[in-house]
Amino acid sequence: GAVVSQHPSRVICKSGTSVKIECRSLDFQATTMFWYRQFPKQSLMLMATSNEGSKATYEQGVEKDKFLINHASLTLSTLTVTSAHPEDSSFYICSANPSTSRSYEQYFGPGTRLTVT
Amino acid sequence: AQKVTQAQTEISVVEKEDVTLDCVYETRDTTYYLFWYKQPPSGELVFLIRRNSFDEQNEISGRYSWNFQKSTSSFNFTITASQVVDSAVYFCALSVYSGAGSYQLTFGKGTKLSVIP
Repeated sequence: GAVVSQHPSRVICKSGTSVKIECRSLDFQATTMFWYRQFPKQSLMLMATSNEGSKATYEQGVEKDKFLINHASLTLSTLTVTSAHPEDSSFYICSANPSTSRSYEQYFGPGTRLTVT
Repeated sequence: AQKVTQAQTEISVVEKEDVTLDCVYETRDTTYYLFWYKQPPSGELVFLIRRNSFDEQNEISGRYSWNFQKSTSSFNFTITASQVVDSAVYFCALSVYSGAGSYQLTFGKGTKLSVIP
C-alpha cells in the first residue's frame, strides 16, 4: 500500500515552453501533497505544500507564477513549470500525506527528471 | 526552525565492513519524527526507518540498526556487513507539525556511501 506515482518520469522540453508533472496517490487519499526539487548532488528542497481544494503554500524564494500547483482532488496534484529555462532543469519529487491520523507519514513518488534545452 | 546536519559528505567502505552514518538535528518541538531514507542512483527515495521523539529505544532490523539519543540530538544509522547494493545517498530527515493537520520534512544534505567490492 501507500504508492505514489509521478508522470512523466523524464521530460525534455525547449526553453520557453511549459511542462506539467502529475503526482497521484494510487491507494490512499492525500489531503496534503508536497513538491520538492533536487539539484544534482544536493538534498531535497521543499518547494511548496498543496492542500486539496485550496491554494498551495510556497516556500520562500519559490516563484508562484512560475511553478503552478493544482491539487484538484484527494489523489492528484500537478506541478506546471511555466516558461521553463535551463536553470529549471532538476529532479522534481512529490510526496503525499495520507488523510489519516498518521499525518506525519509522507510517501514519495519516484521523481521526474526535467531537462530544459 | 528545523535543521538536520549530516557531517559526512562521502564515505567509502570495503564490502562486509560495518558503517555508521551520523545525523544531528535541531528543533524546538517536543513532538517530532526522525527518518532515514536511501536514494539509489535511480533517484527514488526508499524509506528505511522512522523514530518518534518519545521512543528512544534502539533497534536492529536485519543489517540496519539505529541509535537515537535525545540528549545529544543525534539519530545515527548503522549498516552491518555492508554490501555493494548499499551504495547510495542516505538522507536523514526531521518531521515536525506545520499546522493544518500536516507535518513538514526537513532533510539533511545527505551522505554518499560507496561500498567497494
